[in-house]
Amino acid sequence: DAGITQSPRYKITETGRQVTLMCHQTWSHSYMFWYRQDLGHGLRLIYYSAAADITDKGEVPDGYVVSRSKTENFPLTLESATRSQTSVYFCASSAGLAGDNEQFFGPGTRLTVL
Amino acid sequence: QQPVQSPQAVILREGEDAVINCSSSKALYSVHWYRQKHGEAPVFLMILLKGGEQKGHDKISASFNEKKQQSSLYLTASQLSYSGTYFCGTEINYGQNFVFGPGTRLSVLP
Repeated sequence: DAGITQSPRYKITETGRQVTLMCHQTWSHSYMFWYRQDLGHGLRLIYYSAAADITDKGEVPDGYVVSRSKTENFPLTLESATRSQTSVYFCASSAGLAGDNEQFFGPGTRLTVL
Repeated sequence: QQPVQSPQAVILREGEDAVINCSSSKALYSVHWYRQKHGEAPVFLMILLKGGEQKGHDKISASFNEKKQQSSLYLTASQLSYSGTYFCGTEINYGQNFVFGPGTRLSVLP
């Protein structure tokens, strides 16, 4: 099925562990994004990617690592999870960087760090 | 620079109208509007570009006042399905500094 998927949908981990959240899109969109959503803050951009092997920091990149070896995949890694990284994480894809390009969001991953 | 949205929350009865505002301290190139229902992903509503026309479909429309650096989302004759959190996203120049606002929570009651 065409679209954008995220896995896992729910994850519970402990402080200090490494966690990787997966994102896959089938539209061949050039741009992909990772957001975190916390109450009162809306959607905050963590990292984005313009194409395979091209990534850039967003508003809140500290503690996160991304890679994009293939156009369709954009994994997000928390190298050493902290409680402050408990959040809902959304991946999105788009044909362009804002402008007249809409973003398509995945279903989200709810991450809890104990 | 995160845009400011007002009101933070609004409660309506079915059939009533609502206006949600999104304002920026800087001149804007584009404003995007998304709706997110509880427990779901944000879904695109519309984009307004600098110098462009007012957009709308069905009973949801939006305007973009470049001089005031503000956009307004109009929901006419609201339906129960309109409930959710509405986010605006603003862009200062094409491809630069796109950022979402904190959201406006809309509840439509029967």
